[in-house]
Amino acid sequence: QVQLVQSGAEVKKPGASVKVSCKASGYTLTGHPLHWVRQAPGQRPQWMGWINIGNGNRRYSQNFQGRVTLTRDTSATTVYLELSSLRSEDTAVYYCARYYGDYEAFDIWGQGTMVTVSS
Amino acid sequence: DVVMTQSPSSLSVTPGEPASISCRSSQSLLQSNGYNYLAWYLQKPGQSPQLLIYLGSNRASGVPDRFSGSGSGTDFTLKISRVEAEDVGIYYCMQALQTPLFTFGQGTTLEIK
Repeated sequence: QVQLVQSGAEVKKPGASVKVSCKASGYTLTGHPLHWVRQAPGQRPQWMGWINIGNGNRRYSQNFQGRVTLTRDTSATTVYLELSSLRSEDTAVYYCARYYGDYEAFDIWGQGTMVTVSS
Repeated sequence: DVVMTQSPSSLSVTPGEPASISCRSSQSLLQSNGYNYLAWYLQKPGQSPQLLIYLGSNRASGVPDRFSGSGSGTDFTLKISRVEAEDVGIYYCMQALQTPLFTFGQGTTLEIK
């Protein structure tokens, strides 16, 4: 079935970087970009960026001021989110989500990865 | 960015009773193709968001027919005809007009009385 499986929780110190993975399966990956959305505790979800697994095209939210990098491993059908220069405000659950064009919505979400930034 | 505003922030409903959540956008979400680029999600406790409604009024696969979405332009409503215990969680609206700069409402928490 269609699913997105993410890597496990991370604890990082301020100033460090974190890399989260999202493995996709069960559908034609090139047809649907994968997006990253984060949700800080008690906050609304916040869009971070997207990447097309097939051709590598990507776009980032300006809200992260160049700290976000999305990469892909086509053979492993996996995408990666790297967030650098971490600060306490980056403590959040990070989700990957499939954007389904016919719906103009995210129809499949990963289980989420908790990233805690603490000294 | 398109700003999404929901109301109320929380509601408490008796099982079997209806519930209604409002979502307002700072710009019209009605595209020239006649579709409203508005989705509704439910985030159950400890879970990822799940898609309920897309393009303003279309139920996603597997979503019970007690859920319905309506509205157009800048004003939208999610209605639950008869609330059940499994409907508890936080409901979010999301605009897809300014793809890919998606934005979400602040959420509405539904609890059972």
